[in-house]
Amino acid sequence: SQQGEEDPQALSIQEGENATMNCSYKTSINNLQWYRQNSGRGLVHLILIRSNEREKHSGRLRVTLDTSKKSSSLLITASRAADTASYFCAPILGGGANNLFFGTGTRLTVIP
Amino acid sequence: DGGITQSPKYLFRKEGQNVTLSCEQNLNHDAMYWYRQDPGQGLRLIYYSQIVNDFQKGDIAEGYSVSREKKESFPLTVTSAQKNPTAFYLCATRDGGNSPLHFGNGTRLTVT
Repeated sequence: SQQGEEDPQALSIQEGENATMNCSYKTSINNLQWYRQNSGRGLVHLILIRSNEREKHSGRLRVTLDTSKKSSSLLITASRAADTASYFCAPILGGGANNLFFGTGTRLTVIP
Repeated sequence: DGGITQSPKYLFRKEGQNVTLSCEQNLNHDAMYWYRQDPGQGLRLIYYSQIVNDFQKGDIAEGYSVSREKKESFPLTVTSAQKNPTAFYLCATRDGGNSPLHFGNGTRLTVT
């Protein structure tokens, strides 16, 4: 399978704590994207990291990419109850329209 | 206001009936996608289209059909041949091969 695989499958933390989610993939990539999905809604793109980047920040989000280990991590700092959602990584494998594959996601619950 | 509209939000059908899910976009994106999401299984690609009057099968196209007569519209028909049609269906668009996907808010189909 070419999809990203997220770990852990579920994560429960207290508000204010940091949340870390990991993603592993199997082939060379152009970039890797992280998405968030609130229950019963569509996915929303959070951040894109290119294959030649090692770290990227966006607000309370920090994404790292290690192409030698074929892995990425998403860190959410100072979590809030509103961060409760499922988070998906999507490795982008190359050109073409069908080059993006989703895993099963990490279900994050932030307890107020 | 740019975006993707999926309708209806909830759809109920009897087994053996075909049903068509609507997806309309005003983002002027060339590529459009249909995904199916089942609990705990992430997103699976049904069909995608890169240009008007052209579309390709994804990983789970059996029992589904699509059309792309206009750039703005990519309706999905769930036929009676689909053995397990009850699921959450998501439409997405994209502006180029490495760019993020933009998602609608989904249609939850229940077939009894």
